[in-house]
Amino acid sequence: EDKVVQSPLSLVVHEGDTVTLNCSYEVTNFRSLLWYKQEKKAPTFLFMLTSSGIEKKSGRLSSILDKKELFSILNITATQTGDSAVYLCAVNTGNQFYFGTGTSLTVIP
Amino acid sequence: DTGVSQDPRHKITKRGQNVTFRCDPISEHNRLYWYRQTLGQGPEFLTYFQNEAQLEKSRLLSDRFSAERPKGSFSTLEIQRTEQGDSAMYLCASSLRGGMNEQFFGPGTRLTVL
Repeated sequence: EDKVVQSPLSLVVHEGDTVTLNCSYEVTNFRSLLWYKQEKKAPTFLFMLTSSGIEKKSGRLSSILDKKELFSILNITATQTGDSAVYLCAVNTGNQFYFGTGTSLTVIP
Repeated sequence: DTGVSQDPRHKITKRGQNVTFRCDPISEHNRLYWYRQTLGQGPEFLTYFQNEAQLEKSRLLSDRFSAERPKGSFSTLEIQRTEQGDSAMYLCASSLRGGMNEQFFGPGTRLTVL
């Protein structure tokens, strides 16, 4: 059965800390892995990863994929209160997107 | 606004009633997806369309759920004989065809079944 597992389930940090969110997957037909940020509304797109070892970066956020070990990480440096959200990982198998349960990040001022 | 839109944004209904939701995808996107999301969970796949063809449907989806995309543009999701367990956020997303394209989500329809 295809599945996506995220860890930790929740995280509380102080402003300025660096966090690493994990996503591991087990699917039969991997096409791409995506990271989304969800505040109290629909998910918004952060990154799409298709190749191993190539870091994607956007400001303080970065992500990398390891297709051999079947996982991805999302790093957020110098966290801010506006980073507080649920971060979702999804794997695209061509026909479906399988989502993890998300990591709830709370950044305390 | 050229993003994905959903209507209504909120729906409160009594158990046993039928409800219908609408999704308008980004106009050039030929794939349209429906998801259900409950508190503390990631979106759960329900079904998807490529143009007007419904290509996949979750095995977990009850027969009370049906979706259509008659002209390959907007889509409707109907839930018949609603149950309290149907209370959730129903998300629609669209994308271009293929595995290398991201999904864009609509704002969702929050359903409450009393």
